Parts: sequence; C-alpha cells; structure tokens
Amino acid sequence: SQQGEEDPQALSIQEGENATMNCSYKTSINNLQWYRQNSGRGLVHLILIRSNEREKHSGRLRVTLDTSKKSSSLLITASRAADTASYFCATDLWQGGKLIFGQGTELSVKP
Amino acid sequence: DAGVTQSPTHLIKTRGQQVTLRCSPKSGHDTVSWYQQALGQGPQFIFQYYEEEERQRGNFPDRFSGHQFPNYSSELNVNALLLGDSALYLCASSPGHSYYGYTFGSGTRLTVV
Repeated sequence: SQQGEEDPQALSIQEGENATMNCSYKTSINNLQWYRQNSGRGLVHLILIRSNEREKHSGRLRVTLDTSKKSSSLLITASRAADTASYFCATDLWQGGKLIFGQGTELSVKP
Repeated sequence: DAGVTQSPTHLIKTRGQQVTLRCSPKSGHDTVSWYQQALGQGPQFIFQYYEEEERQRGNFPDRFSGHQFPNYSSELNVNALLLGDSALYLCASSPGHSYYGYTFGSGTRLTVV
C-alpha cells in the first residue's frame, strides 16, 4: 500500500515560475526522499531529508519536513522546461530500508 | 563511473512463462533493491538483498524471487507470468554505510501478452 500521498497530481506552469509539490505520509520515518522520473524511465535521487531536519536546500530545490504534520514539500525555483517530469516522494522507515513511494506529481513546465 | 545497469531494457513474454531480470549495482554499493512500477503509479518495493541474503520483502507472491551474487549483482525472477506483471522493473543500489539515498537503474520494461 502507498504510504505517501502527493498533491497536486498534476501541475502545469510557465518557465521561470516556482513549482511546489506536497507529500503527506502516515507513519514515523527515518528520512524522506524526493526523486524525479522522466518519461517512465529510471528515478533520479534529488534530495534526502532526515527526520530531525526541518529544511534542506540543493541548488534550485528546497525541501521542508514537518514531522508533527507528517508532511513534506518540494519547491523548485525558477523552473525550466527541462524540469518537466514526474516527482515522487518516498519515505524510509529505517535508514537504508525499503522506500514507500507516493503516486507522484506530474510537472509540466512550458517554455 | 557507471551507475546502476539493468538488462534487458525491454522484454515481451507470454502468460505462464518465466523471466529473469538482471542488475549490476553502482560501484561501491553492496545493497540492491527491486521495485515494480505499474503505469501511472509509484514504484512498489519487491525485496532487498544484502550480503547475498534477502533482508526485506514487500507484499509480493512467492512467484517473485531473487538472488544476489558475491560481486553484489542481482537477479529478479518471476515465474508463471500474469498479465498484471506487466510493468517497469527498477533496480536500486546503495552503500551499506554513508547512506544518502538510492541510485536507480533505467529499468526493464516487461510486457506480458
């Protein structure tokens, strides 16, 4: 069963705009990860945030984690057409264990 | 530095047949996990191998089995294929230490007809 639920399911924006995706989960976690998938191929790891962290940055990506609300958000700033992809959050209940994925957010960035 | 390598890329099988998918982890990684991703869905965990043993298993029937070799490469075997087994099968690897997430391969697209 899916632990995570992502919102929105689809998002369409113009190049240069910011994109925000949200993820909610049900049980306590060790860490939460975000992945990108282009055209149904392999997943690319974007960022990992541990349960004792509240915010993390990587380039144009900003991830927040609220363990009290069991939710996370991924912000992509100044989006580019190349950011068009599906984005998945995945929870890891114990470090290095199985990942439980949400259903993903399909992001479309129009030039 | 090669990442995770999966073979074959695409595969078409007939219902009832058996299939073997292969995965070579990223250099320096000793843990291999397998995921099944149906169209339009998030990946679902099948199992994880470490030190040639199945360490964790998801909610998949015994028709799904695996193996890890001494060089850390891995195989996923599926017996008695069903139409519902059609999916993208993803392999992911990670090091046993310094865990920063998984490296995924490009997947094997299995179609059962």
